[in-house]
Amino acid sequence: SAVISQKPSRDICQRGTSLTIQCQVDSQVTMMFWYRQQPGQSLTLIATANQGSEATYESGFVIDKFPISRPNLTFSTLTVSNMSPEDSSIYLCSVVKGSTDTQYFGPGTRLTVL
Amino acid sequence: GENVEQHPSTLSVQEGDSAVIKCTYSDSASNYFPWYKQELGKRPQLIIDIRSNVGEKKDQRIAVTLNKTAKHFSLHITETQPEDSAVYFCAASIGDSWGKLQFGAGTQVVVTP
Repeated sequence: SAVISQKPSRDICQRGTSLTIQCQVDSQVTMMFWYRQQPGQSLTLIATANQGSEATYESGFVIDKFPISRPNLTFSTLTVSNMSPEDSSIYLCSVVKGSTDTQYFGPGTRLTVL
Repeated sequence: GENVEQHPSTLSVQEGDSAVIKCTYSDSASNYFPWYKQELGKRPQLIIDIRSNVGEKKDQRIAVTLNKTAKHFSLHITETQPEDSAVYFCAASIGDSWGKLQFGAGTQVVVTP
């Protein structure tokens, strides 16, 4: 498995501001992903964080709104830009190690936008 | 696009009974099917997974079955306990995109003593 941490664990933000969420893993991983989980809902993939290159976004998500960085094999950030109340969600990073399919999730960041 | 349907949305069982959750998927290229358990306020935890070259897998009280022809897979929990109460999500790998998963809508399982 992998030990995954996220910062912050929760935050309350004003609309129009931006928040950067960090995801740190205790060992090198092959793949890193960012998901959104709206209250009472399932997990929706936002993007694949690619090491050293631009992230790959899923339909409905764009780089201007959710810029992502992955400078190395253990760390990634997701920024939620120009926030509105509709961005209130839990944001989770997940990782895949080695050549397996097994995916592990971070503890999540609970974001509330007022 | 790819779609994973999960049923039922809620499931109430008596302690000791069995619980079954069913999922169907649409992407013929899907070859990996994990199940996650999410307790309130916690992260999703992988509880069992199955790959397309296997029809059934069991781990103690939990089992998963896969029917590739019909494109459906199921989670079976036997001898349910109150600590099995949680939301369960099925997922299917997305085509040839390694690591990417499409999740079902989730099943709220409540085990009553």
